[in-house]
Amino acid sequence: QVHLVQSGAEVKKPGASVKVSCKTSGYTFNDHYIQWVRQAPGQGLEWVGWVNPKSGGTHNAQKFQGRVTMTSDSSTTTAYMELNRLTSDDTAVYYCARDQGTYGLAFDMWGPGTMVIVSS
Amino acid sequence: DIQMTQSPSTLSASVGDRVTITCRASQNIDKWFAWYQQKPGKAPKLLISKASDLETGVPSRFSGSGSGTEFTLTISRLQPDDFATYYCQQYHNYPWTFGQGTKVDIK
Repeated sequence: QVHLVQSGAEVKKPGASVKVSCKTSGYTFNDHYIQWVRQAPGQGLEWVGWVNPKSGGTHNAQKFQGRVTMTSDSSTTTAYMELNRLTSDDTAVYYCARDQGTYGLAFDMWGPGTMVIVSS
Repeated sequence: DIQMTQSPSTLSASVGDRVTITCRASQNIDKWFAWYQQKPGKAPKLLISKASDLETGVPSRFSGSGSGTEFTLTISRLQPDDFATYYCQQYHNYPWTFGQGTKVDIK
């Protein structure tokens, strides 16, 4: 069975950084992109970006350019998303999700989400 | 960015009803399109990809159609487990974008 397990909730001050992990199991890690999506409280879904575990390549939404770093570790089948220079607007649940393939498709399995609260 | 507009934003329906949700894209996205279901406090769940491909394990009362700029999700006979929020998504052009959601609640 495919599982994605995320790290626990985080509370950060404005200007700080947060790193969220996504431990995967039950499938061949290198055969699927890992996507990151966030959801602010009471709001809709917002795509952050993806990491290709096979190559280490990434692509993120322009609004996060320069602030987000997505990585992966094939030895532990874990993906990571780090977001820097946090503001209150970054308060959200951050989800990792498995892409259906390796070239950007729909997201067929999701982690439970990691709540990130940014507050002074 | 491609804008995805869902209608309605809220839909009140009864068990057994036929329900249709529409999603319009601001430009042609061919069939690179998905529907997700989300329940409160839970992660989204993929229902349909490539506009009309039903995910394994998703009940056959769910169906998707459309291509280009207009898409629909139909639930043929609404069940108690179907009360949730539904999101559409395009993955044709970066940045991938979602609709604002359609909440299906009990009439």
